[in-house]
Amino acid sequence: AQTVTQSQPEMSVQEAETVTLSCTYDTSESDYYLFWYKQPPSRQMILVIRQEAYKQQNATENRFSVNFQKAAKSFSLKISDSQLGDAAMYFCAYRSEIQGAQKLVFGQGTRLTINP
Amino acid sequence: NAGVTQTPKFRILKIGQSMTLQCAQDMNHNYMYWYRQDPGMGLKLIYYSVGAGITDKGEVPNGYNVSRSTTEDFPLRLELAAPSQTSVYFCASSWRTAGYGYTFGSGTRLTVV
Repeated sequence: AQTVTQSQPEMSVQEAETVTLSCTYDTSESDYYLFWYKQPPSRQMILVIRQEAYKQQNATENRFSVNFQKAAKSFSLKISDSQLGDAAMYFCAYRSEIQGAQKLVFGQGTRLTINP
Repeated sequence: NAGVTQTPKFRILKIGQSMTLQCAQDMNHNYMYWYRQDPGMGLKLIYYSVGAGITDKGEVPNGYNVSRSTTEDFPLRLELAAPSQTSVYFCASSWRTAGYGYTFGSGTRLTVV
């Protein structure tokens, strides 16, 4: 079974600086997707960014980018120019491409604090 | 533009009571899911459905039941509530294709006392 590990329970960064959240995963599959979700205090789960495993190019969405290392099974999230609104829990998630097994498996989460 | 709608948003149950958490989506998604999130933890899959009439257990199904009579609705039933079921419950839906991720509801905070 696939597992997702986030080794940093908490991180903090000064406003306007850059922070990187770590995520590793375990799978024997070759085709899959990886996601980062943001959960602010409102509790809503918000998709931040997605990465397709067969694409070597790292995904970017404005200030958010990933460093995807397929061989190392690593998928870190970089947030540039951190803003107060970035404060939230961040979850890394894995989704298999196998038909009938397309369930998201989540990591334990990293709580990000932005210091003004 | 409703997306995934969960009701209620909050609920307090007494031990041994039963209740149904409602979930509805209007995006014609095939797949629907129920997750629970314990304090400070990630989400764990309770049950999922790949289409009307088809459901299957996830990682933590004990104490719960589901049904999927229509594409839109996927209610979660708690029988004989226990304090261990105190959690935040999320319903989600998705297309069959894995790359689209999930659309989540806003969650139900359940406390069993």
